[in-house]
Amino acid sequence: DTGVSQNPRHKITKRGQNVTFRCDPISEHNRLYWYRQTLGQGPEFLTYFQNEAQLEKSRLLSDRFSAERPKGSFSTLEIQRTEQGDSAMYLCASSSILSGGPRETQYFGPGTRLLVL
Amino acid sequence: GENVEQHPSTLSVQEGDSAVIKCTYSDSASNYFPWYKQELGKGPQLIIDIRSNVGEKKDQRIAVTLNKTAKHFSLHITETQPEDSAVYFCAAISGGGADGLTFGKGTHLIIQP
Repeated sequence: DTGVSQNPRHKITKRGQNVTFRCDPISEHNRLYWYRQTLGQGPEFLTYFQNEAQLEKSRLLSDRFSAERPKGSFSTLEIQRTEQGDSAMYLCASSSILSGGPRETQYFGPGTRLLVL
Repeated sequence: GENVEQHPSTLSVQEGDSAVIKCTYSDSASNYFPWYKQELGKGPQLIIDIRSNVGEKKDQRIAVTLNKTAKHFSLHITETQPEDSAVYFCAAISGGGADGLTFGKGTHLIIQP
C-alpha cells in the first residue's frame, strides 16, 4: 500500500501523560499536514511542513503540541501533559508540489484515535 | 480566515435517486474546493475537486458545480447506491497563502434500499 500511513491507530492514555503519533506520507510527497477531528465535526487544520520546514501553525496548536519532520519524510506529533479535551482523531495528509498534479490535492491517512481518560 | 458552511447535516435518499449537498465559503480569494467521503473509522477520501477557473466538473456519477459570484459550490451524486452511504465533507483553501484546508461540518448521507 503506497498511501499515507499512521501509527498507532488507537491510543488510550491517562490525563497528564505524553503521547506521540507518527505519520508516513505518500512516497516523494514533500508537503505533510496534521489535522484534528472531533466527533461530528470536520477536520481542523493544525500545522504543515514543506520538506522539513514547518511553515504554518494554527492557533489550535497550543504550546503542549509539537510536530517535527526531521528528514523531510515521516513526521511525529507529540502532545505533552494530555487533557481530556485532546481526545480526538488526529489525521495526517500529504501532497506534492513537484508532480504534474495540483499542489493542493491532499491525501489523508486513516488517523490515530486518541482517548484521554 | 476562511469559513465553510455545509448543508444539510443529514440527507436520506432512496437508492437510485440523486443527492445534492451544498456549501458556501467566505473568502473570495479561495481557489480550490475538494470533496471528501469519510466512512466510519477511516480517514477522509478525496472523491472530486474543482478549481476556481472551472464552473463544473464530472466524474461518472459524481459532479461538482462552483458559483464564484455567490461563493457557493455543490456536490451532486446520481443513481445513488448503498455504498454511497457515508459522511461527506466539503472544503476550501483560502487564497491568503495558508495551505490548510477549511472543512464544513459534514453531511451524513443515508441511502435507503
